[in-house]
Amino acid sequence: AQSVTQLDSQVPVFEEAPVELRCNYSSSVSVYLFWYVQYPNQGLQLLLKYLSGSTLVKGINGFEAEFNKSQTSFHLRKPSVHISDTAEYFCAVSEDTGFQKLVFGTGTRLLVSP
Amino acid sequence: DGGITQSPKYLFRKEGQNVTLSCEQNLNHDAMYWYRQDPGQGLRLIYYSQIVNDFQKGDIAEGYSVSREKKESFPLTVTSAQKNPTAFYLCASSRPDSSNQPQHFGDGTRLSIL
Repeated sequence: AQSVTQLDSQVPVFEEAPVELRCNYSSSVSVYLFWYVQYPNQGLQLLLKYLSGSTLVKGINGFEAEFNKSQTSFHLRKPSVHISDTAEYFCAVSEDTGFQKLVFGTGTRLLVSP
Repeated sequence: DGGITQSPKYLFRKEGQNVTLSCEQNLNHDAMYWYRQDPGQGLRLIYYSQIVNDFQKGDIAEGYSVSREKKESFPLTVTSAQKNPTAFYLCASSRPDSSNQPQHFGDGTRLSIL
């Protein structure tokens, strides 16, 4: 069965600084990878997804992620964060089995301060 | 606009009481899901349904029940057997035909014990 590890429970950064949120996964088959963002008391919103092809994936709000198969990682990056990026970010994996069943990491809280 | 509607936004349960959380979608998706979110634990799958009149247990189904009588609706009942029901509950939907389809989420219901 697949699993996802987000080692950083909280990442504090200053506004306009770059940020990287780490995600590692484990699976014995091909996978699809997703990053979601959650603002307080709201549901999850899809930021970006990796299905196949180019390993660098661009998403909404200036975020991007790079799939690294050898390191089984899918780290999320943004070159310059804004206060409004303060939220919780979840990495999720779905195995290529014909039906979508997501497994989520425990989340990383991004705290952007002025 | 299409989306997922969860109600109520806040819900309180008395000891020994069953409560039902509503989830309605107008995205014409066949697959629907219920997740439980606790601080620091990410999202855990309670039940999912691939098609009307069919559903399967997820990782933490004990103390919960669901029904899927209509494509648009997937209500979750938190029974008195669930001894620790306080959590944030999220409903999601997706196209079921491939594991690369992203899930779309509602804004959640926060359940607390009186």
